Amino acid sequence: NAGVTQTPKFQVLKTGQSMTLQCAQDMNHEYMSWYRQDPGMGLRLIHYSVGAGITDQGEVPNGYNVSRSTTEDFPLRLLSAAPSQTSVYFCASSYISGERSSYEQYFGPGTRLTVT
Amino acid sequence: DAKTTQPNSMESNEEEPVHLPCNHSTISGTDYIHWYRQLPSQGPEYVIHGLTSNVNNRMASLAIAEDRKSSTLILHRATLRDAAVYYCIPRMDSNYQLIWGAGTKLIIKP
Repeated sequence: NAGVTQTPKFQVLKTGQSMTLQCAQDMNHEYMSWYRQDPGMGLRLIHYSVGAGITDQGEVPNGYNVSRSTTEDFPLRLLSAAPSQTSVYFCASSYISGERSSYEQYFGPGTRLTVT
Repeated sequence: DAKTTQPNSMESNEEEPVHLPCNHSTISGTDYIHWYRQLPSQGPEYVIHGLTSNVNNRMASLAIAEDRKSSTLILHRATLRDAAVYYCIPRMDSNYQLIWGAGTKLIIKP
């Protein structure tokens, strides 16, 4: 299994540009989420999904959109980049149903985004 | 929400045990205590979780106080690869969101 993969690893955007951060997992996890991590801080939830076709907002959703058309993929779209969105973005996934534990979330390696 | 208190940083010598403390005095009776760690320039990694009794796995042990207001992550024999930020997370909300604090930066001295 490749686990959780994210692309790109690094990205520089100008203010006002848009882009999509890609996230994919091959573990057939129902739950996927996007977090951002600012320097010296913990992670904050942006959006999450409990299955294909279902998405919802987390703690800091403004300026971001998501969709979940398949179980494997969960892209994050920045609509109009702002310097305040400079951060490291992590995608995570986990099981949430049956006997499989939801407590172990698997994280991707992250995307480092700089908005100038 | 369960408020978490962890030391900002700790140092330990290689090949010695490490005890990482966490206070979560307002934890609810049904909240699991999770520990994750984040190695430099990597995504977080699950370490262990527990509810009331002590837990062991291949990575670490988790000792939970009887009143559940504190817990301790135990690395039995630290290696240089264990240098990371360790997060104690006493709450997962109904959206499966882990509520993250700033964690403890563990420094391992050779």
